[in-house]
Amino acid sequence: GQNIDQPTEMTATEGAIVQINCTYQTSGFNGLFWYQQHAGEAPTFLSYNVLDGLEEKGRFSSFLSRSKGYSYLLLKELQMKDSASYLCAVVRGTGGFKTIFGAGTRLFVKA
Amino acid sequence: DGGITQSPKYLFRKEGQNVTLSCEQNLNHDAMYWYRQDPGQGLRLIYYSQIVNDFQKGDIAEGYSVSREKKESFPLTVTSAQKNPTAFYLCASSPPAGGFQPQHFGDGTRLSIL
Repeated sequence: GQNIDQPTEMTATEGAIVQINCTYQTSGFNGLFWYQQHAGEAPTFLSYNVLDGLEEKGRFSSFLSRSKGYSYLLLKELQMKDSASYLCAVVRGTGGFKTIFGAGTRLFVKA
Repeated sequence: DGGITQSPKYLFRKEGQNVTLSCEQNLNHDAMYWYRQDPGQGLRLIYYSQIVNDFQKGDIAEGYSVSREKKESFPLTVTSAQKNPTAFYLCASSPPAGGFQPQHFGDGTRLSIL
């Protein structure tokens, strides 16, 4: 089967670092995206991993291990505006048209 | 500014009624997608289209129909055959997928049953 698992909710403190994990089982893996989604709004792209290793973009970093079916999103210097849902999404097959989304992790940043 | 426009933002449907959700993009993207989002669940793919006049079923196409007569437009019809249509519907687009480009999303349409 095809499945993506993420924690449902996490809470962290402003200024801290938080790591959101994602594990997946899917055939035809061709890459993994992370999106941010504020309540009632559109998801927006954060990062993309296709090879093993760490991708860094400012305060956000994402890591992938294809052999372990595992990824994480690391958020540094947390700000209140980072309170949102974070969606892990796996690209299946060639062409990248079929993407499976996880249920998302709701992150609450407290002062 | 380029983007994706979904309308309406909120939509109410009576039992047995078909409704059409609009999605327009001016990003010159070839591929377009429709997803459904339910509380506590990930986005689920309803239909996608790689080019004009072509579209493919996603994972939950039953009770839905689409058309792709223009590159800019990908309307979704929720038919009376869809027994549980209450959800948040998201339209997305992406450039040709050779580079596995991220998808750009509209602001969504929230559909409810009266």
